[in-house]
Amino acid sequence: GAGVSQSPRYKVAKRGQDVALRCDPISGHVSLFWYQQALGQGPEFLTYFQNEAQLDKSGLPSDRFFAERPEGSVSTLKIQRTQQEDSAVYLCASSFRTLGAQHFGDGTRLSIL
Amino acid sequence: AQTVTQSQPEMSVQEAETVTLSCTYDTSESDYYLFWYKQPPSRQMILVIRQEAYKQQNATENRFSVNFQKAAKSFSLKISDSQLGDAAMYFCACNTNAGKSTFGDGTTLTVKP
Repeated sequence: GAGVSQSPRYKVAKRGQDVALRCDPISGHVSLFWYQQALGQGPEFLTYFQNEAQLDKSGLPSDRFFAERPEGSVSTLKIQRTQQEDSAVYLCASSFRTLGAQHFGDGTRLSIL
Repeated sequence: AQTVTQSQPEMSVQEAETVTLSCTYDTSESDYYLFWYKQPPSRQMILVIRQEAYKQQNATENRFSVNFQKAAKSFSLKISDSQLGDAAMYFCACNTNAGKSTFGDGTTLTVKP
């Protein structure tokens, strides 16, 4: 497809389980961003990739959060030992260059029981 | 720390009228862009308009225009001839060349017929 694709759209996990969220950016987009969005709030920056290099991971809330983009295309956000406060919508965005307009996916709604 | 502040949690406008959404920001970077994004309920975030910080001329995009006051670090969005389809949550964002991306908490716009 032409847009940013995220999967799954919805994920329910029990507290303590590990989850993996996938982002397939627009082909040719160098920059990729992950955000966490709580209900009724703005996206909070988690991490940023330029191609396969993770240049900023300052927004990751804890060492339970890990992101990778090994071939500079698809990215995966992994959350280990999930906790209830991890419940949120996780948005992925890509752009042709760092300062370009970001194209967002539909997000993954994560619910931790 | 980079911050973006939207002081109006909610705004309403009569159809065909004009409304202005406020945004202030703070960044230590000299190379940055500013954006307004629109997020309809349960739908994807999409770009409304963007402004390069080095440009003095205010950006316009059809019915959407900005008032960029660099010294005051202010970046407001004006929507002219408001339409029912403009109803959404609007986010102001600041992106730096280092990949730092910061969003405000959003303004919910209601358009009254």
